[in-house]
Amino acid sequence: QKEVEQNSGPLSVPEGAIASLNCTYSDRGSQSFFWYRQYSGKSPELIMSIYSNGDKEDGRFTAQLNKASQYVSLLIRDSQPSDSATYLCAVKVAGFQKLVFGTGTRLLVSP
Amino acid sequence: GAGVSQSPSNKVTEKGKDVELRCDPISGHTALYWYRQRLGQGLEFLIYFQGNSAPDKSGLPSDRFSAERTGESVSTLTIQRTQQEDSAVYLCASSAGQSLTGELFFGEGSRLTVL
Repeated sequence: QKEVEQNSGPLSVPEGAIASLNCTYSDRGSQSFFWYRQYSGKSPELIMSIYSNGDKEDGRFTAQLNKASQYVSLLIRDSQPSDSATYLCAVKVAGFQKLVFGTGTRLLVSP
Repeated sequence: GAGVSQSPSNKVTEKGKDVELRCDPISGHTALYWYRQRLGQGLEFLIYFQGNSAPDKSGLPSDRFSAERTGESVSTLTIQRTQQEDSAVYLCASSAGQSLTGELFFGEGSRLTVL
């Protein structure tokens, strides 16, 4: 089992819709979770971090964490074509100073 | 510079040659990471440096791979006797502080192609 799993997609949504991106992780001791966005040919950039169970909202983005189910999600409201990118889920490994990344979900937002 | 700087941006080499990739982190960032990203794949952790502490080398795929960092400055990733499966984008990232609670800042990467 991979440490961090994501559906590779592509996830296609129309402009203005809600995009829902999901991630599961295997290390029950993990406490820190991150969503990075990576445009084609570019390096990843952080868009959200979450550490506690529940929801965390930042503009059009909402991160959701359920530690009991070992599940993290990212919701993007009012999706825009500029949101088209690969979204990488990253988990800080308990006891180590490194992030383990999933393979990413490719999101396509059509005008 | 303001961001993480990596060089070269592109490197084409022949199988069996050695290559060196360089990373200049954000000034003041004590932590430095190397990741590898193969085409269409996620990021694969290679090595982590924190200040003058012993590096976490747990992600290095073979003894052909090594990395150095002097203090809190530039790091060099060396791949000896390159193989075709080493072809990937090598990403360097830095972060502030000793505890990873925040953001990793990535460079633009070094794209390595082994013929």
